[in-house]
Amino acid sequence: EIVMTQSPATLSVSPGERATLSCRASQSVGSNLAWYQQKPGQAPRLLIYGASTRATGIPARFSGSGSGTEFTLTISSLQSEDFAVYYCQQYNNWPPLTFGGGTKVEIK
Amino acid sequence: EVQLVESGGGLVKPGGSLRLSCAASGFTFSNYNMNWVRQAPGKGLEWVSSIGGSSSYIYYAASVKGRFTISRDNAKNSLYLQMNSLRAGDTAVYYCARDPGMTTDIVAFDIWGQGTMVTVSS
Repeated sequence: EIVMTQSPATLSVSPGERATLSCRASQSVGSNLAWYQQKPGQAPRLLIYGASTRATGIPARFSGSGSGTEFTLTISSLQSEDFAVYYCQQYNNWPPLTFGGGTKVEIK
Repeated sequence: EVQLVESGGGLVKPGGSLRLSCAASGFTFSNYNMNWVRQAPGKGLEWVSSIGGSSSYIYYAASVKGRFTISRDNAKNSLYLQMNSLRAGDTAVYYCARDPGMTTDIVAFDIWGQGTMVTVSS
């Protein structure tokens, strides 16, 4: 099973600032990585797939990068609606499909 | 509008059973693989099970294998999860989610339902 590790667990950022979230895989997943955003009481929303392709309707301030075992989600200028929990998920070697533990982006 | 709506959650005693349903609309259901993902209170996301568009494959997480059964009825645009021998550790919000892996290699969940809560407690 591929273990996904996200860091940091919590990220405190001021509105308008840049946020950088990390996700590490226990073995290579190629570019088969997705990022999700989840707000309290809501279902997750797909942001990025293929490590760097934005899903339909996702603003350009969200960008993904990386391949192999190291991945990054960058939010270039945080908006109030971006404060949420973010998860990465690998789909290179499954089952099982595996998620990271999440990074909470909170207002500084 | 593309939509997934779960139902069937509730309170059940340990050892009991529950059947979740997920009604799909706004897309050609049979063209998509479908999945169940759960989230325990205050915790992260956990993949539970996947089924191919034509039921060509079925996979389970180790934590539910032998107790849960995923199925689908493409004529009714519906996905199901039969949960038996439920444990306290199965307490979670259960989401159904679509992935476009039938026509791509992308097994990422692009559409999610709102979730249904399952509580296992005596």
